[in-house]
Amino acid sequence: ELKVEQNPLFLSMQEGKNYTIYCNYSTTSDRLYWYRQDPGKSLESLFVLLSNGAVKQEGRLMASLDTKARLSTLHITAAVHDLSATYFCAVDMGEDSNYQLIWGAGTKLIIKP
Amino acid sequence: EPEVTQTPSHQVTQMGQEVILRCVPISNHLYFYWYRQILGQKVEFLVSFYNNEISEKSEIFDDQFSVERPDGSNFTLKIRSTKLEDSAMYFCASSSTSGRELFFGEGSRLTVL
Repeated sequence: ELKVEQNPLFLSMQEGKNYTIYCNYSTTSDRLYWYRQDPGKSLESLFVLLSNGAVKQEGRLMASLDTKARLSTLHITAAVHDLSATYFCAVDMGEDSNYQLIWGAGTKLIIKP
Repeated sequence: EPEVTQTPSHQVTQMGQEVILRCVPISNHLYFYWYRQILGQKVEFLVSFYNNEISEKSEIFDDQFSVERPDGSNFTLKIRSTKLEDSAMYFCASSSTSGRELFFGEGSRLTVL
């Protein structure tokens, strides 16, 4: 059974600081996704990581994937209040799985002015 | 920008009643999905649908659940006899090809009393 673990589950930080959210998963997969969810809202796709060593950046967020270590990171640089949200990683079950994504529990990020 | 739309946004029903949640996926997408999120918990895969049939389904998707694409544009999730534990936010999603970006709707909040 594929397990996806995120840590931390809750993070409160000051604006301007850097931090990293970690996503570990238990079985082989080379497709991992990061989503953002604002309270009561839908799931917004942030990054699609489809191969070992993939690194993608968008603004103050950067995501990477190490399939050998079964680890993805979401790095926040010089955080701003607008980045406050819950961040989920999700791992695809494998080939031809048609997006049977297994989700982490989410990291609730609060950025204080 | 194309988007996945869901109706209703919120439905309250009595236990044992049938509920149909509706989704209009992005028009050129071929893969369709339902996920659910119980309040404050992780997102869970329910079912994927491709070429007018179910591709994958989870243990949650038991005989009380069914999906249908009745007219080439709508994609529906039916719960035949709702239970209290079916209360959740139900997200519809679609993608153009497997392994690429998954687009989510705004969700339908189901409250079973």
